[in-house]
This record gives sequence, structure tokens and C-alpha cells, in this order.
Amino acid sequence: DVKVTQSSRYLVKRTGEKVFLECVQDMDHENMFWYRQDPGLGLRLIYFSYDVKMKEKGDIPEGYSVSREKKERFSLILESASTNQTSMYLCASSPGQGLNSPLHFGNGTRLTVT
Amino acid sequence: GESVGLHLPTLSVQEGDNSIINCAYSNSASDYFIWYKQESGKGPQFIIDIRSNMDKRQGQRVTVLLNKTVKHLSLQIAATQPGDSAVYFCAENTGRRDSWGKLQFGAGTQVVVTP
Repeated sequence: DVKVTQSSRYLVKRTGEKVFLECVQDMDHENMFWYRQDPGLGLRLIYFSYDVKMKEKGDIPEGYSVSREKKERFSLILESASTNQTSMYLCASSPGQGLNSPLHFGNGTRLTVT
Repeated sequence: GESVGLHLPTLSVQEGDNSIINCAYSNSASDYFIWYKQESGKGPQFIIDIRSNMDKRQGQRVTVLLNKTVKHLSLQIAATQPGDSAVYFCAENTGRRDSWGKLQFGAGTQVVVTP
């Protein structure tokens, strides 16, 4: 089975802090994604990556950046955390390029910014 | 803008009955659809998918129906069990290169299974 592991289940950070959310997948998937999940809004795509060193903006990239130095690892960075970034963050991966396939999700990181 | 949505935010089902969760989509170019289940404290878990060249697909106790004419997707769960209590999301993707892999999710339906 695909395993997507997010390094933290819960994080509490202060406004203005730089925050790193880490995600690792063990199935050699090319594609990785970061979503945030908020009540009533569903899942919204922040950033995604089709390959090492590459990244593309999703629907809500403002206030975030990403890093993909290795195929198995995709990091989400909050340069200066704000309270409106309090949310559940979900990482996902999928195989292949140019072919739709299900995303496999981690169990999420619940971030609280105070 | 185009979006994926759900008709009912909460669905209460008696154990043993069949569940039907509905989803409307507005993007006529969408050609790939997925249903996810999310239990409390966990990430979304893939249930079943369907491509636009199909009307129906069956899995274990689940059936997805796709009606492209009215842009409607449904998930049927047979003999609903307490373990089926969760939030269910539909998601779509157009399959175009500029949106490939970018799933659009609905807000979710909470399914509550009662004894």
C-alpha cells in the first residue's frame, strides 16, 4: 500500500514564525500535492509538483511556498505564519504523468497559528 | 466559476440500509471522477473512481453512477455499516494538461449510520 507520511499531526505556531510542513511518500510517485482543508470549504489545492525541483501553483498559493529536492519529499513552507493559515494541511501523491489516477493522502497536519 | 458540489451536507442512514450520496458538477470538460471517504482524524481514503466513458462502476459494496447529461455523480453504499460513518467527498478532474492531477473537491457529505 502507498504510504504518505506527514511528520507532524499537530503544530502550534506563533504569528510571524516560519513554518515547515514535511511530507514523505514511499511509492516512488512522481506527483505530490499540498491541500488545506477547512470546514465548509472542502479541500483546496495550495501547490503541487510533477517532478523533483519543479512546482506549480494551485488555487490558493498566497502565503505559501514549497520545496521538492528529492522525489519522495515535498515540503510546504509558511514564510510568515498568520492566523488565517490555521487549518488542516493534507499532503498527497499520485503516480504517472498525463494520466489521471487517485491521489493518496497522508493523515494531515493540524496547524494552529496564535 | 466551475465547481463540484454536494446536494446534502448530512445523511443519516440506518444500519443495513443502502446509502446514496449525490454530487453535482458543472465542468462539462471533466472526464475523471473520484469518491473519497474521510474518517475523523484521518486523511481522505480512495473509494472508487470512474472515467467519463463509463456510466457505472462497481466495487466492494459500492457503486458509482455517472450521468453526464445532467452532470451528476452518485455513490451508492450497500448494506451500510457503522464503519461507513464518515465524510464522503466527490472530486473531479478535467484531464487537460494544464489542470491534470488537480482535483477539485466538493465540500463533503457527513454520513451518520444509526443502529
